[in-house]
Amino acid sequence: GAGVSQSPSNKVTEKGKDVELRCDPISGHTALYWYRQSLGQGLEFLIYFQGNSAPDKSGLPSDRFSAERTGGSVSTLTIQRTQQEDSAVYLCASSLVPVTDTQYFGPGTRLTVL
Amino acid sequence: DQQVKQNSPSLSVQEGRISILNCDYTNSMFDYFLWYKKYPAEGPTFLISISSIKDKNEDGRFTVFLNKSAKHLSLHIVPSQPGDSAVYFCAASAWNAGNMLTFGGGTRLMVKP
Repeated sequence: GAGVSQSPSNKVTEKGKDVELRCDPISGHTALYWYRQSLGQGLEFLIYFQGNSAPDKSGLPSDRFSAERTGGSVSTLTIQRTQQEDSAVYLCASSLVPVTDTQYFGPGTRLTVL
Repeated sequence: DQQVKQNSPSLSVQEGRISILNCDYTNSMFDYFLWYKKYPAEGPTFLISISSIKDKNEDGRFTVFLNKSAKHLSLHIVPSQPGDSAVYFCAASAWNAGNMLTFGGGTRLMVKP
């Protein structure tokens, strides 16, 4: 069956530009997460959506970062006025909550800010 | 403040021997622990998990041990195979944290033929 997909797989942008990253979770999964992995670092939680509840934005590093999830499915992570320190691999995961805690990850989007 | 730590950034093991990857945590609210494996250019894939009510969980060549009093868990892979070479992430979640995972920094395992 289809797993979590993300697009684009790679994104190169100039400092100061806005970028949008897309995540298509596994069908039927109610929970969706965004993480990022900076070079040489572990995975850092960014934001979490669960059903129709208000998202948990506690991991967003600044107000330049925002995310939305439309129709309880596809999610878009937006980074405004990108900075070089935003360069990282952005990973999306989904899970079937509350049945299981296992999160299934997409392949990630590698963002490079020049 | 890192709540989940993997103090060994890398580990090299001979094929057929045991690989032991370690993970320490500080948050006593964590009650579910997972290990993920990550190959380059791919997202992490779930490997094995353990609930805080257990101290051991086994799945084939993979066994996870949990020592709650020491706030320590470990992943044992035996026998190790070259295909196990990857980065392994330890992760933890708390029942009151909406299933959010807190990850360690990862350990790169290299299994030499």
